[in-house]
Amino acid sequence: QVTLKESGPGMLQPSKTLSLTCSFSGFSLSTSGMVVSWIRQPSGKSLEWLAAIDWDGDKYYNPSLKSRLTVSKDTSNTQVFLKITSVDIADTATYYCARSSGIRVPFDYWGQGVMVTVSS
Amino acid sequence: DIVLTQSPALAVSLGQRATISCRASQSVSISRYNLMHWYQQKPGQQPKLLIYRASNLASGIPARFSGSGSGTDFTLTINPVQADDIATYYCQQSRESPPYTFGAGTKLELK
Repeated sequence: QVTLKESGPGMLQPSKTLSLTCSFSGFSLSTSGMVVSWIRQPSGKSLEWLAAIDWDGDKYYNPSLKSRLTVSKDTSNTQVFLKITSVDIADTATYYCARSSGIRVPFDYWGQGVMVTVSS
Repeated sequence: DIVLTQSPALAVSLGQRATISCRASQSVSISRYNLMHWYQQKPGQQPKLLIYRASNLASGIPARFSGSGSGTDFTLTINPVQADDIATYYCQQSRESPPYTFGAGTKLELK
């Protein structure tokens, strides 16, 4: 059974760095082709793909945010991390991690999401 | 980036057919693969994959959902609509990566 779960700070101040963790089970990120992505959704709005890391450690970023994003994974291939630097109010959103079995493949499993509020 | 355009809302009666469209700013097809996917999202829940590569039903999805299209024009059809189908539906392209892009979503409402 594939499950993913996001965790994060809940709330942070503008200009800080947001650190998110995606913990997953039921698959291994060391399996050829596997990819874990980060996607966010401001309340009442659509979805925005942020970044991804694949089984081989290759990283992919949304060009519009690339300078602020860092995606990584742990050596046991059961967690993926996302850091967003210099957050502001516009980064307030629910952040999801999602799995796909390739780069041009849809997201077949999603975490429940973690809400992050940026506020002073 | 490839921009996906969806109508914001669609009102439908229970038991009727719902047709939700998604238009891409450029082709999302590679060879015979149409790299457009559809998700359903209910309030407070994560998105759920319904249709992949334009017309393939994801695992566990009822057969009343279907998808069609190629190139730049795609359609998600629900027939017949049931009460449990009231949700927001998003299209997503994986032709260009990065970045993957999503449509703005179509909210399916009861008439």
